[in-house]
Amino acid sequence: GIQVEQSPPDLILQEGANSTLRCNFSDSVNNLQWFHQNPWGQLINLFYIPSGTKQNGRLSATTVATERYSLLYISSSQTTDSGVYFCAVEAGGFKTIFGAGTRLFVKA
Amino acid sequence: EPEVTQTPSHQVTQMGQEVILRCVPISNHLYFYWYRQILGQKVEFLVSFYNNEISEKSEIFDDQFSVERPDGSNFTLKIRSTKLEDSAMYFCASSLDASYNEQFFGPGTRLTVL
Repeated sequence: GIQVEQSPPDLILQEGANSTLRCNFSDSVNNLQWFHQNPWGQLINLFYIPSGTKQNGRLSATTVATERYSLLYISSSQTTDSGVYFCAVEAGGFKTIFGAGTRLFVKA
Repeated sequence: EPEVTQTPSHQVTQMGQEVILRCVPISNHLYFYWYRQILGQKVEFLVSFYNNEISEKSEIFDDQFSVERPDGSNFTLKIRSTKLEDSAMYFCASSLDASYNEQFFGPGTRLTVL
C-alpha cells in the first residue's frame, strides 16, 4: 500500500521563527489533507490540497503531485501552533493513510 | 458552523464487553469513516461507509468490529468483545462527496479497556 513519510519527526522553534514540514508519499493520490492535532487531541483541518498552493493566514501549503510531496509552511510561529501536524492521503477507495506526524513545540 | 459530534467522550469497559461508539456526521455529508489512534501513535484508518455499505476497510477492522447507520443521523462503531489492545482514541469523520473528499473529524471517544 501507499507509504506516507513526514519530516522532521520533531521540531522545536523559538516563537516568531518560520518552519517547513514535509510529507512524501509513495504513489499517486486523489486527495491530501494537512491536520493539526492540538494538545487536547482534536484534529483540526488546515488544508485540503491534492495539488497546488493555498494560504491561510500564517500557514500555507504546497502539493506537487507529480513529484509526490507536500509542504506545510508555518511563518511567525506562536506557542499555540504547538502540537502534532499530520499529513493524510487518499490513494483511492476511500482509504486514507496518515503519516506519523511532526511534533512541534514552540517556545515562548 | 456544522461539526461532527461523538459520544461518549470517554468510555471505560471491561475486557470482553461490547461497546458502541456513536457519531453524528455533518448533516449533508454522504461518506463516513472511523479511525483510531493509540496513545502517542499515528491515526489509523478503520473503515469507510457510503450508501449503507462498507466501501473500504483495513486489516484492523476484523470480525470484532461492525458499523451501522441506524437512522438518518447516527453512525456507530461496535466492538463486540473488547481486548486490552483496543484501548485508543476513536475518531469519526465525514465528507461531502467523492470528488471533493475533505474529511472533517469529530472530537473523538477515548476508549479504555481494563
